[in-house]
Amino acid sequence: NAGVTQTPKFRVLKTGQSMTLLCAQDMNHEYMYWYRQDPGMGLRLIHYSVGEGTTAKGEVPDGYNVSRLKKQNFLLGLESAAPSQTSVYFCASSFLRDQPQHFGDGTRLSIL
Amino acid sequence: GQNIDQPTEMTATEGAIVQINCTYQTSGFNGLFWYQQHAGEAPTFLSYNVLDGLEEKGRFSSFLSRSKGYSYLLLKELQMKDSASYLCAFTGGGNKLTFGTGTQLKVEL
Repeated sequence: NAGVTQTPKFRVLKTGQSMTLLCAQDMNHEYMYWYRQDPGMGLRLIHYSVGEGTTAKGEVPDGYNVSRLKKQNFLLGLESAAPSQTSVYFCASSFLRDQPQHFGDGTRLSIL
Repeated sequence: GQNIDQPTEMTATEGAIVQINCTYQTSGFNGLFWYQQHAGEAPTFLSYNVLDGLEEKGRFSSFLSRSKGYSYLLLKELQMKDSASYLCAFTGGGNKLTFGTGTQLKVEL
């Protein structure tokens, strides 16, 4: 049972580079989320999606873009990476809004 | 606005009982979640409360008072493996969870 799979697990970028984080879920969940987790800040929502073809902004969307072309995939893009985006990124999915979210193992991203 | 608060750190002894509190403020409320997160790992679901009262699930119980904007997670018969961060989160208006910053629980011998 794969659940929620994130790739890559680790990445180091230089300031100004771009990259895409991939999240895939095999549970047929409608809702998918991208969070970042920083020390002392807890989990903060970047963007989310309530179904295929939809996306919405969360608490900290600036500097990120997302796409949900297929129900099972949710992509997070960094257009021009900045050191402030150094963080651990978690993807999560749920069947409905008030159902438990299942999290991926996270992507540890460092921007130099 | 929306706000959620929980203690930063707690320490307890193996075999004891510990209560982790969470208070929240929101104009719309649907339910409250508790997640467990071990260091370097993903959060995992523990409990979900919609109605007032106590929900018991093995060694873990969760309580909710909607009128007071208050919840707690009760851990009984503490084990060393319970050392982790415990995250409180609520769903209010909209399609998302609002998380607290987490309570780091350390279980000692």
